[in-house]
Amino acid sequence: EAQVTQNPRYLITVTGKKLTVTCSQNMNHEYMSWYRQDPGLGLRQIYYSMNVEVTDKGDVPEGYKVSRKEKRNFPLILESPSPNQTSLYFCASSSIAGGPADTQYFGPGTRLTVL
Amino acid sequence: GESVGLHLPTLSVQEGDNSIINCAYSNSASDYFIWYKQESGKGPQFIIDIRSNMDKRQGQRVTVLLNKTVKHLSLQIAATQPGDSAVYFCAERHNDYKLSFGAGTTVTVRA
Repeated sequence: EAQVTQNPRYLITVTGKKLTVTCSQNMNHEYMSWYRQDPGLGLRQIYYSMNVEVTDKGDVPEGYKVSRKEKRNFPLILESPSPNQTSLYFCASSSIAGGPADTQYFGPGTRLTVL
Repeated sequence: GESVGLHLPTLSVQEGDNSIINCAYSNSASDYFIWYKQESGKGPQFIIDIRSNMDKRQGQRVTVLLNKTVKHLSLQIAATQPGDSAVYFCAERHNDYKLSFGAGTTVTVRA
């Protein structure tokens, strides 16, 4: 089954404790992206990647890091989480056959709470 | 700044009626637009897309209209069903390969 998976689905942590949210897709997609979703603000792009070893900032990259060492994986790293990073996070992937950021398939989401 | 927005945060519609969800965008360089549906507790799900060289595209029970003159996008759902209750987002793709999403419209279908 074609899908995007994220882990963990739920996470409660404390300020300053480094964490990683994993994302994996099995569709051989070149393009992958991370979003955060906050009430009233919709989805905002954090980082995206056009292919292996190619990443770029989205609209709200501060406080986040990503890496793309393999085509299928795109982990999101919070080196020193802060309470304003409490949010619902989505990973997405797409083929670039129709152009970058074409029809994106989303993971189920990771709800992060930073105390 | 550039933004994608929906005209109304909520929409209540009678089952069986047609729904129209509107979206305004401000980036005239955007070349691709997508509508997503997000049900409670799930990630956004692709509904339909349209490229900037088109003004209308139809899917199953859904139609997207694009008016580039006034930078307006709409999603029409025919014969709305209870399963259509969700949050709907429009998104635009900029020429730098980023997607920008609107804040979303919550659609509630009344039985």
